[in-house]
Amino acid sequence: GQNIDQPTEMTATEGAIVQINCTYQTSGFNGLFWYQQHAGEAPTFLSYNVLDGLEEKGRFSSFLSRSKGYSYLLLKELQMKDSASYLCAVRFLSGGYNKLIFGAGTRLAVHP
Amino acid sequence: ETGVTQTPRHLVMGMTNKKSLKCEQHLGHNAMYWYKQSAKKPLELMFVYNFKEQTENNSVPSRFSPECPNSSHLFLHLHTLQPEDSALYLCASSQDLGTVSYEQYFGPGTRLTVT
Repeated sequence: GQNIDQPTEMTATEGAIVQINCTYQTSGFNGLFWYQQHAGEAPTFLSYNVLDGLEEKGRFSSFLSRSKGYSYLLLKELQMKDSASYLCAVRFLSGGYNKLIFGAGTRLAVHP
Repeated sequence: ETGVTQTPRHLVMGMTNKKSLKCEQHLGHNAMYWYKQSAKKPLELMFVYNFKEQTENNSVPSRFSPECPNSSHLFLHLHTLQPEDSALYLCASSQDLGTVSYEQYFGPGTRLTVT
């Protein structure tokens, strides 16, 4: 079966750094996505990793280790507006098509 | 604004009603998706359309019926729903299913309450 695990909730302080972990077990792997979802809003794309290593995009970075089935999202210089849910999603090939499954999301609360 | 719109944003319906959710994308994409998001549960993929053809039905009950008349529009027809069907229904689109790297663009969702 396919499984994605990420912590349910995290808290952090404004200006700090936080790391959100994601582990996955899927039958095949074709890329990992991170999405941000504010309460009551649609998920928005943050990052995509398909090769091992770190992808940096401004204050956000995402890391992937395919051999360990592990990824993390690193948020630096936290701002209050970063309070949101962060969704880890894994893409894999099935039936000739790419499929995408999501983790349950990590709800991050940033405090002053 | 992600280029994907959904209507209505909120819907309350009784178990004997028939209603439809509408999704429209203005991104020139060829793949469209329906997801269900319940509280504290992962996004659940319901249906996938690629170039107007349904490519996936994730064991969704027949009281949910999708329709994709063209690559820009996607509907979800609802009838005789159950209270446990109350959730946020999200539509998404992407370039197509064969593209090596694609991201999905989500609409704002329809908050459905079944009474």
